Amino acid sequence: AQKVTQAQTEISVVEKEDVTLDCVYETRDTTYYLFWYKQPPSGELVFLIRRNSFDEQNEISGRYSWNFQKSTSSFNFTITASQVVDSAVYFCALNKASGSRLTFGEGTQLTVNP
Amino acid sequence: GAVVSQHPSWVICKSGTSVKIECRSLDFQATTMFWYRQFPKQSLMLMATSNEGSKATYEQGVEKDKFLINHASLTLSTLTVTSAHPEDSSFYICSARDNSEAFFGQGTRLTVV
Repeated sequence: AQKVTQAQTEISVVEKEDVTLDCVYETRDTTYYLFWYKQPPSGELVFLIRRNSFDEQNEISGRYSWNFQKSTSSFNFTITASQVVDSAVYFCALNKASGSRLTFGEGTQLTVNP
Repeated sequence: GAVVSQHPSWVICKSGTSVKIECRSLDFQATTMFWYRQFPKQSLMLMATSNEGSKATYEQGVEKDKFLINHASLTLSTLTVTSAHPEDSSFYICSARDNSEAFFGQGTRLTVV
């Protein structure tokens, strides 16, 4: 069985602070994919990143960066210089094959205050 | 990325009535579609997986007679909530799979009064 844990239920920061959202996963599959999605108040899921289990390189995209540590089964997400528009619920997710069903974490509500 | 359109975006219905939600893949053919449900301040939970031309596979605890899923074509899957009750009020979101990746619709917020 697969499981994704986001231990931080809510995080509140002040604008321009850096913030890291934690994600720990469990899976017995040797090949799997990890995702991060952003869900603003409107509800739609905004795709942020997909990473396969064989690629442990960290990735940076603008103010976003991801740290994949297979040894600790973690896939953490950092926003640098946070902005009010970053306020949303962020979900970490996992699947075992490209395009297959996703197992979501519980989500982290991020609030960035001006 | 590919576009998945879900309709309606929100719906309010009376208790006891049925409501249909559509999920369309606009620019690709989706042999598989997934239906998720999200209660307020909770995560997304898979309800069922539908494959074109065959019966849907429901997750444990999801009533197949209450949540009717039809995937009659490669671009359309529908979820019908039958005899809706207030506890069915939730956010329903579909995901359609092309050859290698799954894309999400915008979601439907259902309120049963």
